[in-house]
Amino acid sequence: AQSVSQHNHHVILSEAASLELGCNYSYGGTVNLFWYVQYPGQHLQLLLKYFSGDPLVKGIKGFEAEFIKSNFSFNLRKPSVQWSDTAEYFCAVHFTGGGNKLTFGTGTQLKVEL
Amino acid sequence: NAGVMQNPRHLVRRRGQEARLRCSPMKGHSHVYWYRQLPEEGLKFMVYLQKENIIDESGMPKERFSAEFPKEGPSILRIQQVVRGDSAAYFCASSPKTSGIYSYEQYFGPGTRLTVT
Repeated sequence: AQSVSQHNHHVILSEAASLELGCNYSYGGTVNLFWYVQYPGQHLQLLLKYFSGDPLVKGIKGFEAEFIKSNFSFNLRKPSVQWSDTAEYFCAVHFTGGGNKLTFGTGTQLKVEL
Repeated sequence: NAGVMQNPRHLVRRRGQEARLRCSPMKGHSHVYWYRQLPEEGLKFMVYLQKENIIDESGMPKERFSAEFPKEGPSILRIQQVVRGDSAAYFCASSPKTSGIYSYEQYFGPGTRLTVT
């Protein structure tokens, strides 16, 4: 079955530290990839997306993600986190041939300390 | 541009009662999705609808749950005879186009947190 896994459930970083959150999926076909963020008390917002082309995609607020097809991965990165990045981050995958639904990972709770 | 609207934001029901969750998509969006998030889990797809049509209900429990998206008005997710296990956050999303890659880009509402006592 198609699935999405996020390896880190809780991450604590100090301000200015670099961030990398892992996301892997299981599927040999074409995928469309998304990272969403949920700030405390707010709804999910789209951070960035990959459909095709350059596998390194840039999103809002200084985030980027790299699609590595051979690894079935779409890791999220930010060179220097801020306290305001404290939030929950969800990786989501659209598997072609599976309708329009998105399959989500379990999320990573990021806490950035001052 | 108003985003996806959901109401109520919080809903408390006793076991056996009915819960009705409403979702208004973004302006110009005609496709709606419902997802459920249980504690400590990611969002799980339930149902995908367009106006007056259910397109994909593969994630919807077979009993007690139903969804509709009428020609006029919001989409409704209805849970009959709620049980404690239905306690969760229910998120609605809408998408901008009917075909092509941008139809996979979904915009989410703030969610309805259902508590069953």
